[in-house]
Amino acid sequence: AQTVTQSQPEMSVQEAETVTLSCTYDTSESDYYLFWYKQPPSRQMILVIRQEAYKQQNATENRFSVNFQKAAKSFSLKISDSQLGDAAMYFCAYRSGYNTDKLIFGTGTRLQVFP
Amino acid sequence: EAGVAQSPRYKIIEKRQSVAFWCNPISGHATLYWYQQILGQGPKLLIQFQNNGVVDDSQLPKDRFSAERLKGVDSTLKIQPAKLEDSAVYLCASSLGITGYEQYFGPGTRLTVT
Repeated sequence: AQTVTQSQPEMSVQEAETVTLSCTYDTSESDYYLFWYKQPPSRQMILVIRQEAYKQQNATENRFSVNFQKAAKSFSLKISDSQLGDAAMYFCAYRSGYNTDKLIFGTGTRLQVFP
Repeated sequence: EAGVAQSPRYKIIEKRQSVAFWCNPISGHATLYWYQQILGQGPKLLIQFQNNGVVDDSQLPKDRFSAERLKGVDSTLKIQPAKLEDSAVYLCASSLGITGYEQYFGPGTRLTVT
C-alpha cells in the first residue's frame, strides 16, 4: 500500500522569505502523480502544484516549485517570496497512475507566515 | 463558475443519532468524492461515484455510513448511528471524469459528535 509522510507538523516563515515543506512517499508503482494542496482556515482545499512521476523536470507554478527526487521518494514544496495569504495547511498527496483517482494524503504541515 | 457546494457547514449531534450531509458538485462534473478528514490527519476517501454508480467504497464503514447519488448530480452522505470517532470534517469533491482530472473541493461539513 502507498503511504505519504509529512514530518513537519508546523513551519513558519517571514514574509518575502523562502520556505520548504517536506514530503516523502512509499510506493512500488512506477506510474503515479504527486500533488501539493493548500487548505486555508475554513476554506476550500485547492491544488497548488502537481508532478507526474515520468517527468524529470520539476514542476513550477509562479512562486511555488517542487523538488522531486524519484529515487529517494521525496517531493518537497518550495514557496518563494512568501506572502501572508500563503498561511494554511499544506497537504502532500499521491495518486496511482493505474486507473484510479484515489488521492492518498499526508497528515499536513501548518504554515504560518509572519509579517 | 460556481464551486462545489456543501451543507450544512457545521453540525453537532449526540452519539447514536443520525445525520446527513449534502453535496452539489460543479456543473458537468461526472465524478464525485466524499472524504473524511479527522483532526490532525489528511483527508481519507470514503466513496467515489462516477455519474450515479459507485467506483470505490472500500473505505466506507458500511455498517453505519451510506451514500447515494441518485440522478448523477448531487449526493448525500448519511451516518446512522453516529459514534464519537465520526467527529471530523466531511469534504466533497468533484472532477470532470475518472483518471487524470483535477479534483475540486467543497468547503466541508464539520461534524461534532458528543
